[in-house]
Amino acid sequence: NAGVTQTPKFQVLKTGQSMTLQCAQDMNHEYMSWYRQDPGMGLRLIHYSVGAGITDQGEVPNGYNVSRSTTEDFPLRLLSAAPSQTSVYFCASRQTGANYGYTFGSGTRLTVV
Amino acid sequence: QQQVKQSPQSLIVQKGGISIINCAYENTAFDYFPWYQQFPGKGPALLIAIRPDVSEKKEGRFTISFNKSAKQFSLHIMDSQPGDSATYFCAAKTLGNEKLTFGTGTRLTIIP
Repeated sequence: NAGVTQTPKFQVLKTGQSMTLQCAQDMNHEYMSWYRQDPGMGLRLIHYSVGAGITDQGEVPNGYNVSRSTTEDFPLRLLSAAPSQTSVYFCASRQTGANYGYTFGSGTRLTVV
Repeated sequence: QQQVKQSPQSLIVQKGGISIINCAYENTAFDYFPWYQQFPGKGPALLIAIRPDVSEKKEGRFTISFNKSAKQFSLHIMDSQPGDSATYFCAAKTLGNEKLTFGTGTRLTIIP
């Protein structure tokens, strides 16, 4: 199994540009999440989904949109990139059940100039 | 508002020693406390997790100690090895809620 696959691995954007970070999982997990990781701040939840067609906001949702049309895919859209969105973005998924933890992808390093 | 406070920020331990990382939480509704290990350039990986109905959980060289009354939990790595050098994150969430709250991380270095 590939697990959680994120593309691209690296991206440079200009301020104001939009883009979509892709996330796909092949484990048939119902729950998926997007986090951003910044130095000294740990990981912060952006958006999450508990199943196809269901999404909700996390701790830092502003400037990001998500959709979940299939169980496998959970793309993250940056509407108008800002330098404050320079970060490493991680997608994660887990199966239903209280004792299952999240499996993380390898991340997308995004720089906004 | 930081709901999970982690310390220390960095830690250097000699090979064979015990590494201890501490976390404290504020939200008494938290009922699931995982620890994640992250190597450079990789995503975090679940290491071990505990629920508040037990005070300790051990998996190999890794042990979580949990103190519900003090709202604190810690990770102990016994017989620390150079391969354990990584960044460790504690986290917490409530049952039925997918909002996992992370600590700020501890960079652990094991020296020979």
